[in-house]
Amino acid sequence: SQQGEEDPQALSIQEGENATMNCSYKTSINNLQWYRQNSGRGLVHLILIRSNEREKHSGRLRVTLDTSKKSSSLLITASRAADTASYFCATSAGAGSYQLTFGKGTKLSVIP
Amino acid sequence: EAQVTQNPRYLITVTGKKLTVTCSQNMNHEYMSWYRQDPGLGLRQIYYSMNVEVTDKGDVPEGYKVSRKEKRNFPLILESPSPNQTSLYFCASRGGFGFYTDTQYFGPGTRLTVL
Repeated sequence: SQQGEEDPQALSIQEGENATMNCSYKTSINNLQWYRQNSGRGLVHLILIRSNEREKHSGRLRVTLDTSKKSSSLLITASRAADTASYFCATSAGAGSYQLTFGKGTKLSVIP
Repeated sequence: EAQVTQNPRYLITVTGKKLTVTCSQNMNHEYMSWYRQDPGLGLRQIYYSMNVEVTDKGDVPEGYKVSRKEKRNFPLILESPSPNQTSLYFCASRGGFGFYTDTQYFGPGTRLTVL
């Protein structure tokens, strides 16, 4: 079942601007991950944030997690044309947490 | 190089003709899974396997079978494909699970068309 819901569905920005994508989920989670997918290709892991963490950075990526609001945001700073892709959040929940449930994604277009 | 491979990458077939999509990983991962991706529906899990000979249904298992006879391989079988199984399929593997779930690695995808 779909757990994460990304917002917006599509985002178009100019190169150099920051891009912010949001993810909301419904049940308690162990961790939340963000993935990137270039058109028609496999997903690539970007960053993982655990339920006891509030913020995490990796290069130009900043992820926040608010478990009280059941939401996360992914910020890409100083965007580049190469950042054009779809971005998905995935949540790991439950005692076994062996399933990752993906949202429907945000399609980001970075215009040169 | 750590990777998940899938074959074939593209497949056009006809209704009812059995097919198998192979998946192999070289990372000695215990956990493997199959997803399908459809426009507007995102990624939906078909089946997953926590180890050799251990498989379980995901969210959309109808019309699919899997097997896990070896740790590295996790083939997806469509015994009698139908047009509604036209989709983009991804295999994925992961080394750990639990609170500190490891990164999930995805294969390049198999684009299947069933006529």
